[in-house]
Amino acid sequence: TQLLEQSPQFLSIQEGENLTVYCNSSSVFSSLQWYRQEPGEGPVLLVTVVTGGEVKKLKRLTFQFGDARKDSSLHITAAQPGDTGLYLCAGPLYNTDKLIFGTGTRLQVFP
Amino acid sequence: NAGVTQTPKFRVLKTGQSMTLLCAQDMNHEYMYWYRQDPGMGLRLIHYSVGEGTTAKGEVPDGYNVSRLKKQNFLLGLESAAPSQTSVYFCASSYSGVAFFGQGTRLTVV
Repeated sequence: TQLLEQSPQFLSIQEGENLTVYCNSSSVFSSLQWYRQEPGEGPVLLVTVVTGGEVKKLKRLTFQFGDARKDSSLHITAAQPGDTGLYLCAGPLYNTDKLIFGTGTRLQVFP
Repeated sequence: NAGVTQTPKFRVLKTGQSMTLLCAQDMNHEYMYWYRQDPGMGLRLIHYSVGEGTTAKGEVPDGYNVSRLKKQNFLLGLESAAPSQTSVYFCASSYSGVAFFGQGTRLTVV
């Protein structure tokens, strides 16, 4: 059983569409991060959210941390083919040093 | 700056063989991690270390051992490889909760 569940698992959309990816847990996290991974590479950090209710924007990407610090979402506006990749949420379990990753969402954006 | 370097990048083992994966980081990070990534499973934490000389179990530690004799190195050992350990292995080091990853080791056990 994964502590961080992501949905959807796969997403295939046309360029220009909007999408939201969810990251949910029954556990509290002191912070949550979003990474993107491309084939043959390790994950690369996109953003860290720390405060419950926090919203961060990174160009066309909007990240939100739930009030109870158990969930997060990633919204992409006007998706582009360059957004294609595996998106992973991750976080240190509250009061531990374990950095846990979510199940992943594989996004494919077609031109 | 090399960041996090993993060796080897690819390896094929026969069932029952042993091997060690090496992870080296040059960022002076205290925390280091070993993950495995299987299709559709995201990244699962095998073992981790919060400093030189320390190790701890993650989510899926069985069949693996680790050592952190030097701060910059974190070794992952498979004593008796099994086909279920076929996977891509990633090492990471972290600072303030942000992880930096190596490029991975693709291991196949036949």
